[in-house]
Amino acid sequence: EDQVTQSPEALRLQEGESSSLNCSYTVSGLRGLFWYRQDPGKGPEFLFTLYSAGEEKEKERLKATLTKKESFLHITAPKPEDSATYLCAVQAPQGGSEKLVFGKGTKLTVNP
Amino acid sequence: EADIYQTPRYLVIGTGKKITLECSQTMGHDKMYWYQQDPGMELHLIHYSYGVNSTEKGDLSSESTVSRIRTEHFPLTLESARPSHTSQYLCASSDPVPTETQYFGPGTRLLVL
Repeated sequence: EDQVTQSPEALRLQEGESSSLNCSYTVSGLRGLFWYRQDPGKGPEFLFTLYSAGEEKEKERLKATLTKKESFLHITAPKPEDSATYLCAVQAPQGGSEKLVFGKGTKLTVNP
Repeated sequence: EADIYQTPRYLVIGTGKKITLECSQTMGHDKMYWYQQDPGMELHLIHYSYGVNSTEKGDLSSESTVSRIRTEHFPLTLESARPSHTSQYLCASSDPVPTETQYFGPGTRLLVL
């Protein structure tokens, strides 16, 4: 069964304090790993897609990396506006349906 | 920029009422999805569609039904709402292969009394 585990569940940082969020996955035939940001009461906002081990993508203060078993979302010098829940999802074909399996997310709080 | 819309954003309704949650997208995507999300929990797929007249059930059993008569429109219906249906419902559509990135609407927060 495909599974996604995110850690930590919650993370508090001071503004400027860099850190990383982890997403561990078990899936047969990974097609893609997705990172989303979700603000309270809103739908997830797409950040990155990673397709193969060793791949890296960056956007402003965020950098996502991928290995064969996990992905990291590195946050460099975060600001209070980076506070949100960050979701990881994997895509694997099951019976012809290319669906996403989501983790529970990491709730990030950045204090000024 | 994704253009996917959901209405209503919030809905409080009594037990036994029939409700329809609307979802529309202007990107011409063939694939559309409905997810259910409880607070602090992961998203669970309840329905998906590969195109007009195509609908399938997802992993999470749901008493809701969906229809896909037009490409841009993917409504979800609950014939008789119950308190157990209280949740957030998220609609998404995806790019075609190979990227297949899913873009989400703002969600509908449903409270059944």
